[in-house]
Amino acid sequence: QVQLQQWGAGLLKPSETLSLTCAVYGGSFNGFYWSWIRQTPGGGLEWIGETNHGGSANYNPSLMSRVSISVDTSKKQFSLRLTSVTAADTAIYYCAKVDLGNWFDPWGQGTLVSVSS
Amino acid sequence: QSVLTQPPSVSGAPGQRVTISCTGGSSDIGARYDVHWYQQLPGTAPKLLIFGNNNRPSGVPDRFSGSKSGTSASLAITGLQAEDEADYYCQSYDSRLSGYVFGTGTKVSVL
Repeated sequence: QVQLQQWGAGLLKPSETLSLTCAVYGGSFNGFYWSWIRQTPGGGLEWIGETNHGGSANYNPSLMSRVSISVDTSKKQFSLRLTSVTAADTAIYYCAKVDLGNWFDPWGQGTLVSVSS
Repeated sequence: QSVLTQPPSVSGAPGQRVTISCTGGSSDIGARYDVHWYQQLPGTAPKLLIFGNNNRPSGVPDRFSGSKSGTSASLAITGLQAEDEADYYCQSYDSRLSGYVFGTGTKVSVL
């Protein structure tokens, strides 16, 4: 059974870079896409992007200029970088496995990232 | 940036049946992409509830069911229980975005 464990800095200042990492335990890492999703304080969910084990990534066009998702297959980890953060990037960030039918399961435990001066 | 529309809230008495709608458009649900549903209990990550329009993962009670027609989908909860109080989100794929989209979310309250 696949489990995801994520970590990263939770408090940032405007213009800094958000960095989070997600580790995959159990199951196969290859052959799937791995995504980052965020949930705003109002509750809305927004897909940020995804990568596969080969580093082929896809991003939400609204964030594409500031986001990159990388992968370390040897460690079964994938990471999110979001540059030039503002208060609008304050959210709970989740990592998730993209199953073959394009649904997300399972999800990581979530990381609250707050951006404030 | 939700592009799938859900009612903000629905409520029902224990034992009743409630439904949650999820309305999309021609580039997502209407383009024949599957709809999936998630349940989010307070303070926890979303959990897959329904996948592929109407399939339940192992462990999900058969009180939960999904359907899809045209540019919309629905989640039904029959025999509503207190433990079903949660937020529910639909999700699909959007060909214009070339990515995934979520619904606006619905809070289910048990009276």
